[in-house]
This record gives sequence, C-alpha cells and structure tokens, in this order.
Amino acid sequence: DGGITQSPKYLFRKEGQNVTLSCEQNLNHDAMYWYRQDPGQGLRLIYYSQIVNDFQKGDIAEGYSVSREKKESFPLTVTSAQKNPTAFYLCASNSLAHFSNQPQHFGDGTRLSIL
Amino acid sequence: KQEVTQIPAALSVPEGENLVLNCSFTDSAIYNLQWFRQDPGKGLTSLLLIQSSQREQTSGRLNASLDKSSGRSTLYIAASQPGDSATYLCAVRLDSNTGKLIFGQGTTLQVKP
Repeated sequence: DGGITQSPKYLFRKEGQNVTLSCEQNLNHDAMYWYRQDPGQGLRLIYYSQIVNDFQKGDIAEGYSVSREKKESFPLTVTSAQKNPTAFYLCASNSLAHFSNQPQHFGDGTRLSIL
Repeated sequence: KQEVTQIPAALSVPEGENLVLNCSFTDSAIYNLQWFRQDPGKGLTSLLLIQSSQREQTSGRLNASLDKSSGRSTLYIAASQPGDSATYLCAVRLDSNTGKLIFGQGTTLQVKP
C-alpha cells in the first residue's frame, strides 16, 4: 500500500546532539512537508519542499535543517541549536498535479524527547 | 497574518448525539479548507476538503460547511459513536502555489457509550 513512513517512532536526544528524523513516501508525490506539534496545539510548518534539491523555510525553521536529494525522501535534522526540541514531528506529502483537490497525506509521526 | 481558531478545545457527548465543531479564520482569502482527524499518538487522516468556491462537502455521517465571508467552517457529525472519539483539526490553505496549511489547535472529542 502507498503511504508515508516515518522512523523512528520514538527518539531521544542528548544535550548538544544533532538527530535526524526519517520520512519516506511511495506515493510519487512532488511536495513534502515537516510539521511540529506541541501538546494541545495545532501543527506548525518547519520546512517544505516542492521539488528535488529545493526546499523552503516554514514558520519555525530555526534550529532545523532538511535535504531533498530524492523525490521519495525528506529527512529532518534537529540540531543542537534547537533549544526546545521536545515535540511530536509529522511529515506530510501531496501531489502538485490537481493540487487544489488533493489533501495532504501524513505519516504516523516521531516523538522526540530530551534525555 | 492568517490565524485559525477552533472552539471548543474539548467536547464530551453521549453516544448518538449530533454535534457541531467550529473553525474560524481571520483572512477570508483562502484557497481551500480541510478537516482532519487525529487519533492519540498518530498522524492526521483527511476527512473533508472544501474548495473556496464550495459551500459544503459530505462524507457519510460527516458534513462540513464553509462561509468564507464570515471566516467560518463547521464540521457536523451525525449520530456520534464512541469510535468518533479523536482530535479534529481544521486547516486553511492560502494559495495555489504551495501546499502550506495553517492549522487550528484542534477540538478533542469524547463520545461516551
């Protein structure tokens, strides 16, 4: 079945450490997104990419970095510069074709905590 | 700056009741509005998408309406069931060029048997 796979499901970060969250999709979608969700909050956009080798900052990009070397993969690195990384991270994708009719598809998320 | 608000933050109803969830947005210049469901510790599942030119969309027991001029959308759930218990989020998309969504905080629904 087509879908979005996020790994790991749970991740722990030590002080000063960079960690990378994986997001892979087999939906042949052009656009991919990373969101952060804090308890009792909606989702906030971190980064998004509409095409391979190109990506744009969202509303809360500081302390994060991404790459888009392959269409199906959009990993997110939480750097040591992100002082409050504890949150639930969600990856999403959608097709650029018939854009207006396509909802975003989401993975099952990665929960990141500080040790 | 577009802001999306959902009221109430939490709702508890007995099984079988019809209910309405509310979503409001500050800028009426939206491209579409989407309703999602989120189960605890899970990702989001798309429920309904309403284009800016549409007034409502229906899927099974769910009906979503959109009033752009007043900046409001409602999600109507008929004959609620315990399996409907989840957090419901609305999100607006501002333009046709990107898929960027602005989310509300969500309404957590509990349907009691």
